[in-house]
Amino acid sequence: KQEVTQIPAALSVPEGENLVLNCSFTDSAIYNLQWFRQDPGKGLTSLLLIQSSQREQTSGRLNASLDKSSGRSTLYIAASQPGDSATYLCAAQTQGGSEKLVFGKGTKLTVNP
Amino acid sequence: KAGVTQTPRYLIKTRGQQVTLSCSPISGHRSVSWYQQTPGQGLQFLFEYFSETQRNKGNFPGRFSGRQFSNSRSEMNVSTLELGDSALYLCASRLTRNEQYFGPGTRLTVT
Repeated sequence: KQEVTQIPAALSVPEGENLVLNCSFTDSAIYNLQWFRQDPGKGLTSLLLIQSSQREQTSGRLNASLDKSSGRSTLYIAASQPGDSATYLCAAQTQGGSEKLVFGKGTKLTVNP
Repeated sequence: KAGVTQTPRYLIKTRGQQVTLSCSPISGHRSVSWYQQTPGQGLQFLFEYFSETQRNKGNFPGRFSGRQFSNSRSEMNVSTLELGDSALYLCASRLTRNEQYFGPGTRLTVT
């Protein structure tokens, strides 16, 4: 059974800092791993999708990496801004017939001006 | 292209009642999944529909059911509501095994 863990649960940084959010998963047989952002009381916004054959994906100030062998993914945010404050969730889609996403509990990021 | 839409956005129901939530996927997306989000359990998979067929179901009691129509719109129903069913219900649509796109959610409060 796939389990996804995100550490830390909360993170507070000053504006302009570069930061890394961590995601680990127990079953390396994944189709892909997706990073989302969730603002309070809102739905999920997809940030990056990494296919199992890829090592990383980049979008603007965001870079996500995937290491299947170690069961880890990281989301790197460069030059953080107060508008980046949100909860960041990672989710793994596991092979084996089920199309469901298994989510971590998220990292709540606060970027202070 | 319009995103995933969910209606209603907010609902207040009483224990024992039933509720139906609706989700319209992105045009062309035939797969619709439902998730429940609570502070304690996080996001949990409810079920997935593809071409009007339920393909996967999460570990929820039979009070939770769903269906998908020929236009890919989906509904989920919860019968005999319990206080613990209070949650944000999120719907997602996708094209094949690619990126999943989520709607804004329906906030259900059971009193």
